[in-house]
Amino acid sequence: DVVMTQTPVSLPVSLGGQASISCRSSQSLVHSNGNTYLHWYLQKPGQSPQLLIYRVSNRFSGVPDRFSGSGSGTDFTLKISRVEPEDLGDYYCLQSTHFPYTFGAGTKLELK
Amino acid sequence: QVQLKESGPGLVQPSQTLSLTCTVSGLSLTSNSVSWIRQPPGKGLEWMGVIWSNGGTDYNSAIKSRLSISRDTSKSQVFLKMNSLQTEDTAMYFCARGKYFDYWGQGVMVTVSS
Repeated sequence: DVVMTQTPVSLPVSLGGQASISCRSSQSLVHSNGNTYLHWYLQKPGQSPQLLIYRVSNRFSGVPDRFSGSGSGTDFTLKISRVEPEDLGDYYCLQSTHFPYTFGAGTKLELK
Repeated sequence: QVQLKESGPGLVQPSQTLSLTCTVSGLSLTSNSVSWIRQPPGKGLEWMGVIWSNGGTDYNSAIKSRLSISRDTSKSQVFLKMNSLQTEDTAMYFCARGKYFDYWGQGVMVTVSS
């Protein structure tokens, strides 16, 4: 199985500040069709996860441009600029290139 | 608008079989895949399996021997059945659409306990 190593586990931030979350995979996430199926989600307390970024760098509908994704191969990053209160919660990366699909263990974004 | 909603029993006895239903609206199961994902209390997410738009399935090898996913396209429903439940199967169970999981249900909490 592809292991997704997500860091940090906890990320204290100030409102208006910037946050960066890393996700590294144990093997390349480039599919045989050339696409890279690495996605990012935010799960707020008591809610279902919500898609933020799909295929590395594409913002899902309605996601503010404060969220950006980058990376390639095995190394990926989610950046959040100008952090707002509604950005707090647990962030997960997911790879859906290889079976079984696997998630990172999560990063808790919390107030400093 | 796209909606998914899970339903099923909140409590299952150990060694019994879990049956869950994901009812979808605003999308066709013959054009969309649906996955099941679970999350134990206070822990991370685990992908369980998927039913594709053509009715084919893929499962997480860790639970493949216990899991079955099926559907009824006429009722817009996807079903999960998992047997030989143990306490470690206690979790919130979600269904989600597509390869990107762009829409999720609200989840259903399942507790395995006698």
